Amino acid sequence: AQKVTQAQTEISVVEKEDVTLDCVYETRDTTYYLFWYKQPPSGELVFLIRRNSFDEQNEISGRYSWNFQKSTSSFNFTITASQVVDSAVYFCALSEGFTGNQFYFGTGTSLTVIP
Amino acid sequence: DGGITQSPKYLFRKEGQNVTLSCEQNLNHDAMYWYRQDPGQGLRLIYYSQIVNDFQKGDIAEGYSVSREKKESFPLTVTSAQKNPTAFYLCASSIPGAGDYGYTFGSGTRLTVV
Repeated sequence: AQKVTQAQTEISVVEKEDVTLDCVYETRDTTYYLFWYKQPPSGELVFLIRRNSFDEQNEISGRYSWNFQKSTSSFNFTITASQVVDSAVYFCALSEGFTGNQFYFGTGTSLTVIP
Repeated sequence: DGGITQSPKYLFRKEGQNVTLSCEQNLNHDAMYWYRQDPGQGLRLIYYSQIVNDFQKGDIAEGYSVSREKKESFPLTVTSAQKNPTAFYLCASSIPGAGDYGYTFGSGTRLTVV
């Protein structure tokens, strides 16, 4: 079973629109960490945010915001006023416990922002 | 600047040949990882190493081999036993037990079998 599900394979929006990328995770651990990474066309994965299971506060960083809800096992990512430079593949990931040896990645959501 | 360097960026291999992908980091991270990325399948773990001279198989280790003789280096060999090696390969590093710190990734190597 997938530990991290990103149901949206591809999304296209027009520049300046808001867009939300969904992430649903599955774990039995009480301590875990959630991440979002951005993969631009160059290929390198760029870290965006980390969240631990004890902190459900939503976070905002510029045009980016994240909504963490343990009740629905979701960690959604919203881009406000999207820009062409936001076009990329976005991955949600889960790490279980303090000594997690690997991440569980979702299959990614490809976002295209149309000018 | 600290980071991870993967080389080459593009690699072509003939059927039946072994090929080695390089991954070097200067972050002083003990743990290093190799992931394979295929379209629509996300990232899958091939091998990881938590410390020098030790490494563990990931989910799709068959047809691959690694070594970890130095802390800075974690090369991946794609052997002829790997039936479908064409993919994008990403190397990453982290602090051991870094469930909370996350990974730093290299820029990847795109391997194509010709």
